[in-house]
Amino acid sequence: DAKTTQPNSMESNEEEPVHLPCNHSTISGTDYIHWYRQLPSQGPEYVIHGLTSNVNNRMASLAIAEDRKSSTLILHRATLRDAAVYYCILRDVTGGTSYGKLTFGQGTILTVHP
Amino acid sequence: EPEVTQTPSHQVTQMGQEVILRCVPISNHLYFYWYRQILGQKVEFLVSFYNNEISEKSEIFDDQFSVERPDGSNFTLKIRSTKLEDSAMYFCASSFLASSYNEQFFGPGTRLTVL
Repeated sequence: DAKTTQPNSMESNEEEPVHLPCNHSTISGTDYIHWYRQLPSQGPEYVIHGLTSNVNNRMASLAIAEDRKSSTLILHRATLRDAAVYYCILRDVTGGTSYGKLTFGQGTILTVHP
Repeated sequence: EPEVTQTPSHQVTQMGQEVILRCVPISNHLYFYWYRQILGQKVEFLVSFYNNEISEKSEIFDDQFSVERPDGSNFTLKIRSTKLEDSAMYFCASSFLASSYNEQFFGPGTRLTVL
């Protein structure tokens, strides 16, 4: 899987929007951009994914740059429950060389202040 | 909402002992995974399993490790002779497909402590 770069940590205040950036300058045309998060003492949890267009779901929005070399996970109104480690992961299983494994980096530790 | 479950939540064992970690994936999922996370470190892929055989494994998954789907619902990870460095959180995950757009669902993990 191609490499991603994320800030080590970010802070936010409750009920404010949070923009979590991810750089993936070596992304290939078949890489999907996935975001997972890991709440304290829990397993990773899927948040959102996209390929080229911006995506929205009930948890978050994903904004993908036009050249796809970066993306931003947007939490529209952070809550205390959103405090977690957020992972940006590229996935490409074309050619059958990867059976779906996720390659986690260090992620971004998001702290939400009341 | 369907979820992945894991038992036990915490396992303490002596070095050299065998342990079996158990997982019940989501019922209609076809791909199963084990990951581990040593305290303070990143989540690491161990193995993926499909159609009753290993489809991919990492360098960590050596001969001490094995996986099995014994009865069509459980998915187990066995460590034959545990070492101190096997102490970690072990997460099971499952997905319907292994494609690049399918999400994986993770269980809450089993904390393995090797003394």
